[in-house]
Amino acid sequence: AQKVTQAQTEISVVEKEDVTLDCVYETRDTTYYLFWYKQPPSGELVFLIRRNSFDEQNEISGRYSWNFQKSTSSFNFTITASQVVDSAVYFCALSEERTDSWGKLQFGAGTQVVVTP
Amino acid sequence: NAGVMQNPRHLVRRRGQEARLRCSPMKGHSHVYWYRQLPEEGLKFMVYLQKENIIDESGMPKERFSAEFPKEGPSILRIQQVVRGDSAAYFCASSLDRVIHNEQFFGPGTRLTVL
Repeated sequence: AQKVTQAQTEISVVEKEDVTLDCVYETRDTTYYLFWYKQPPSGELVFLIRRNSFDEQNEISGRYSWNFQKSTSSFNFTITASQVVDSAVYFCALSEERTDSWGKLQFGAGTQVVVTP
Repeated sequence: NAGVMQNPRHLVRRRGQEARLRCSPMKGHSHVYWYRQLPEEGLKFMVYLQKENIIDESGMPKERFSAEFPKEGPSILRIQQVVRGDSAAYFCASSLDRVIHNEQFFGPGTRLTVL
C-alpha cells in the first residue's frame, strides 16, 4: 500500500504566484517523521524540512511554509512568490518508528513544479 | 566535513555486464541506506546496512543485486548481469544512527544507464 501520496504530478505556475504541494500519508504509528526534499534538474536531493508527529506547529522558512494536519494525515508545502529557481521535483517522505521500519524513508511519487517567467 | 560521496556519478554498462556503485558515508556515520529512483518515479528503499551487517534488504530485488558495507572502505551496491530495467539513479544516504530523528544525508547519486 502506498504510504505517501502526492496526487499532483505536475504544477505549472507563473513567477510570483504561490504554489501548494499536497502530501497525504498513511501510518499506524504514533511516532513518525515527515520530510520534504527538493530535486532540481541537476538531480541531487536537497533536504528542506523534517517534522515529527508530535509537533503540529506550522513552520515558515523564507518563502517556504509547511502545514501539518494530523487529523487529515497531510503535510502540505507552500512556496510563496515562486521563482524560476524553484522549478524542481518535490518529494514528500515518511519515516516510521517501528523496529522493522529501521528508519527508512518512504517517498511519494513527487510533484514536478514548473515556474515560468 | 565532506558530505556523502558516491562514485561514479554516471555509469554506462551494456546488458550482461556488472555495475559497482560506491558510497562513502559522512565521517562518523555507520548507517547506510540505498535507494533507487526509476525514471519519472520517486525513490524506493532498497537496503539498509551497518558496518559489516545487512540489517534490512526488503527492497532489494532477489536476484543479481547485492550490497555490502565492509569494516573498512565504502559501501558497495553491486548489480550483476545488468538489464535495461536497471537503468536508474541510485542514491545512498548515511546517518549517525538508525534512530529516525537523525537525519539521513543523501549523496549526489549514481546514474546508471544500461545500453
